[in-house]
Amino acid sequence: GNSVTQMEGPVTLSEEAFLTINCTYTATGYPSLFWYVQYPGEGLQLLLKATKADDKGSNKGFEATYRKETTSFHLEKGSVQVSDSAVYFCALNLGYGNKLVFGAGTILRVKS
Amino acid sequence: DTGVSQDPRHKITKRGQNVTFRCDPISEHNRLYWYRQTLGQGPEFLTYFQNEAQLEKSRLLSDRFSAERPKGSFSTLEIQRTEQGDSAMYLCASSTNRLNEQFFGPGTRLTVL
Repeated sequence: GNSVTQMEGPVTLSEEAFLTINCTYTATGYPSLFWYVQYPGEGLQLLLKATKADDKGSNKGFEATYRKETTSFHLEKGSVQVSDSAVYFCALNLGYGNKLVFGAGTILRVKS
Repeated sequence: DTGVSQDPRHKITKRGQNVTFRCDPISEHNRLYWYRQTLGQGPEFLTYFQNEAQLEKSRLLSDRFSAERPKGSFSTLEIQRTEQGDSAMYLCASSTNRLNEQFFGPGTRLTVL
């Protein structure tokens, strides 16, 4: 089946620290990969995406590279801010516009 | 351009009662999705519509659950004879055939006592 595995949280970092949140996937085909973010009290928002191997998605200083050989899509940011505190979800879909399969989410807490 | 809206935002009900949630997608989005999210987990797919046609239903969607999108615009999700295990956040998202991105609403939090 299709599934997404994320590193468990919470991840607690000091402001300006480097962030990595690991995400690996299992898929029966060639998925598109996504990172969604959920800020406290808000709905899910798309952070970035990549649709084929070796694509890099980027937004708001966050990056993730689609690695087919390791079936991974790790999220990175060079210098986190307190405002980045949120829950981050890795997800995939198979086919344009098809349902999303989500990981369990990783809580990020950034301290000043 | 308004986003996806859901109503109500919170619902508390007693076990055995029926509940209905509404989702209004972004206008002109022909695809509409329902997901369920329990505490500490990622959203799980329930069902989706393209226009008024329900194209896929998850095995999570028991016979007590029914979803409709009668005119291809808003959608309703009804849960009959609610159980405590139905307590969750119910999320709606919308998209189009040309987008590989879903836009999520704020969710309806259901608590079954």
